[in-house]
Amino acid sequence: DAGITQSPRYKITETGRQVTLMCHQTWSHSYMFWYRQDLGHGLRLIYYSAAADITDKGEVPDGYVVSRSKTENFPLTLESATRSQTSVYFCASWQRGGPEQFFGPGTRLTVL
Amino acid sequence: QQQVKQSPQSLIVQKGGISIINCAYENTAFDYFPWYQQFPGKGPALLIAIRPDVSEKKEGRFTISFNKSAKQFSLHIMDSQPGDSATYFCAARNHNAGGTSYGKLTFGQGTILTVHP
Repeated sequence: DAGITQSPRYKITETGRQVTLMCHQTWSHSYMFWYRQDLGHGLRLIYYSAAADITDKGEVPDGYVVSRSKTENFPLTLESATRSQTSVYFCASWQRGGPEQFFGPGTRLTVL
Repeated sequence: QQQVKQSPQSLIVQKGGISIINCAYENTAFDYFPWYQQFPGKGPALLIAIRPDVSEKKEGRFTISFNKSAKQFSLHIMDSQPGDSATYFCAARNHNAGGTSYGKLTFGQGTILTVHP
């Protein structure tokens, strides 16, 4: 399927567990982004990547790890999940010079 | 540090009315101001965008008004419809951001719009 996909769409986990959220895009966009969406805070950037093997911290990176070994994939790992990481996570991609970032459908994560 | 402030947080409008959402920014290096629309259970999608060299951009019922001196921009939805009910985000990009930071967008807090039939 063309576009940007995220998996899983829903995840429930427990405090202290490691969780990996997957993001895959088929456009070969150079940039990819991870955001979390919380009421009252809008979309906050967690990490982003300008190309394979190049990643940078965003506004709220603590507790998260990313990697980008291939252009099309940008997984986000919560090394030891906390209740404060309960949120909806969105992945996005963008090609430099393009008009917009394209967002995936989101992953709703609940940490008990 | 929130560099783009959006208001109101929620808005209720009757069908046929005008919806107005406002955003203010501080960083004069911002050079691109998009608005994203998000329906429940979906990711945000670009609705309309403007650059600071124009004061207004209109696409159908959606208009962005931009005031560079006041560092403010707003989204107007004319003849609002129940199908416009969604969350709206304003955003801004910094053209002076060097290297890999160029592609970053700073988002406002979002506005939940409800249009009653």
